Amino acid sequence: GQNIDQPTEMTATEGAIVQINCTYQTSGFNGLFWYQQHAGEAPTFLSYNVLDGLEEKGRFSSFLSRSKGYSYLLLKELQMKDSASYLCAVVDSNYQLIWGAGTKLIIKP
Amino acid sequence: NAGVTQTPKFRVLKTGQSMTLLCAQDMNHEYMYWYRQDPGMGLRLIHYSVGEGTTAKGEVPDGYNVSRLKKQNFLLGLESAAPSQTSVYFCASSHGKREVDEQFFGPGTRLTVL
Repeated sequence: GQNIDQPTEMTATEGAIVQINCTYQTSGFNGLFWYQQHAGEAPTFLSYNVLDGLEEKGRFSSFLSRSKGYSYLLLKELQMKDSASYLCAVVDSNYQLIWGAGTKLIIKP
Repeated sequence: NAGVTQTPKFRVLKTGQSMTLLCAQDMNHEYMYWYRQDPGMGLRLIHYSVGEGTTAKGEVPDGYNVSRLKKQNFLLGLESAAPSQTSVYFCASSHGKREVDEQFFGPGTRLTVL
């Protein structure tokens, strides 16, 4: 079967750094997405990785290791507005998105 | 540019009632999708469309029907609502010009079936 695992909830302090992990087992792999979803709102695109390595985009970075079936999203200089759920999604061999349940990130002052 | 819009935003139904959720996009996207989001679970694909006049089943299609008569609109129908269909429904669209594309989501419809 296909499986995406993320921690259910994480807490971090404003100004700090947090790493949200995602491990996956899917039938084929054509890339991995990270989306941000504020409570009661729509998911919005953060990043897409298809090759191994780290991609940096401002305060957010995303890492992928295809051999380990592992990705992480790194958020630096945390702000209160970063409180949200972070969704990991893998593109399988049929080019369908398989979604994780999301990680709820709570930022404390 | 409104992006992806959904109507209604909220709806309460009684078991056995029917309704249609409307999704519209103004980005000229080829692909459109309907998902449901339930607590503790990832987004699950109900149906999708790769172009005007086409539809296909996703992971959880039972109890739902869809139509894509116009490129910009994608309708999701519930013929006989059941409490198990209580959920938040998201519509999304993507360009469809590449095999993997970012999906743009609508604001969601919160449906309760009593």
